[in-house]
Amino acid sequence: GQQLNQSPQSMFIQEGEDVSMNCTSSSIFNTWLWYKQDPGEGPVLLIALYKAGELTSNGRLTAQFGITRKDSFLNISASIPSDVGIYFCAGHPSSNTGKLIFGQGTTLQVKP
Amino acid sequence: SQTIHQWPATLVQPVGSPLSLECTVEGTSNPNLYWYRQAAGRGLQLLFYSVGIGQISSEVPQNLSASRPQDRQFILSSKKLLLSDSGFYLCAWIPMGQGSGYTFGSGTRLTVV
Repeated sequence: GQQLNQSPQSMFIQEGEDVSMNCTSSSIFNTWLWYKQDPGEGPVLLIALYKAGELTSNGRLTAQFGITRKDSFLNISASIPSDVGIYFCAGHPSSNTGKLIFGQGTTLQVKP
Repeated sequence: SQTIHQWPATLVQPVGSPLSLECTVEGTSNPNLYWYRQAAGRGLQLLFYSVGIGQISSEVPQNLSASRPQDRQFILSSKKLLLSDSGFYLCAWIPMGQGSGYTFGSGTRLTVV
């Protein structure tokens, strides 16, 4: 079935640094979504992307829908301790199964 | 308002005991509903989804089952829990106006001992 390859698996950075993570697929996706999960909580939607090439920001977060429709990245600028958590990419494949496919997540730790 | 409720928040159950986790949504009708499991704080595995009352699709063979007795109620069950059923269980749906993004419940931490 369709899979999303998310990297890196984990990151340990200093507060104030910028962060970049990405997601790739071998097949085309119609929608790309980025979620953040705090410890012990359900994932929360950060950014949704609906068009190839679309670049969207949400505060210090910026995400892009790749031109090939097979990838997406999420950048976090000037990281702060509350950015700690697991970040998931997700997408709806063009085959339109109605199900959201998730990446394996990127665990982010921020050192104050 | 559109909300999702999931309970209990935590559960410790002995091996071989039954399980029932409940998820309800408010503020909408005929939503698509989903059950996910997350092991070791990583990776979301889709277990079941439902597009309507009594309609359940299973994604992976397992010791669990799901039911949708009412439009806005989704239940995850097991007759006899296994140690491998331990994990973080999440219910999700797509609220109106949120495009195609899922909204997740707060999750149930299940520990089978």
